[in-house]
Amino acid sequence: DTAVSQTPKYLVTQMGNDKSIKCEQNLGHDTMYWYKQDSKKFLKIMFSYNNKELIINETVPNRFSPKSPDKAHLNLHINSLELGDSAVYFCASSQGLLAKNIQYFGAGTRLSVL
Amino acid sequence: AQKVTQAQTEISVVEKEDVTLDCVYETRDTTYYLFWYKQPPSGELVFLIRRNSFDEQNEISGRYSWNFQKSTSSFNFTITASQVVDSAVYFCALSRALYNQGGKLIFGQGTELSVKP
Repeated sequence: DTAVSQTPKYLVTQMGNDKSIKCEQNLGHDTMYWYKQDSKKFLKIMFSYNNKELIINETVPNRFSPKSPDKAHLNLHINSLELGDSAVYFCASSQGLLAKNIQYFGAGTRLSVL
Repeated sequence: AQKVTQAQTEISVVEKEDVTLDCVYETRDTTYYLFWYKQPPSGELVFLIRRNSFDEQNEISGRYSWNFQKSTSSFNFTITASQVVDSAVYFCALSRALYNQGGKLIFGQGTELSVKP
């Protein structure tokens, strides 16, 4: 069983469209995250949620809206997609918010905006 | 400001060579954690090791070893007798022990290791 699963794995879409990426974890963790990896492989946090509550919003444009229906799921909805949104998006989860907690990552979703 | 620097963008070695990946971090915090992750060509991120700021003991796991030196703010990673399967991008990351940081990982730029047969 995959611990942190994201769907879809690949997403190709046109500028201006709206799209969603889903993430689910079966580790029983309380905390989930979204990270963005750009074309130079640089990884940066976007959001973190703890028990469905938003903890970190790292100055991400309003077009990105995370939603956590329960603590096992954290979805990412992106409105009005732009070329610069093309990247690999990783979902992760950890036991809690403590710095020592290991984050386990999903396989990533490669988003290409044309 | 908190920062992680991996100055080596790409390293290429021949199988069985030893290789060291450098990681230098900046923080004024006294309590923090350091991590290494591996990203193989398949793309997923795999956790390798965690270190807290109070534990400067070196760690060895099979062919992998880590050297943490607070005096130089470095957390270097050595692969002994490298193998082709070690080819990947390796990331060093820092996590601050502050609640409002929400467990955020601050990543270095990554080092792409290529091990040739």
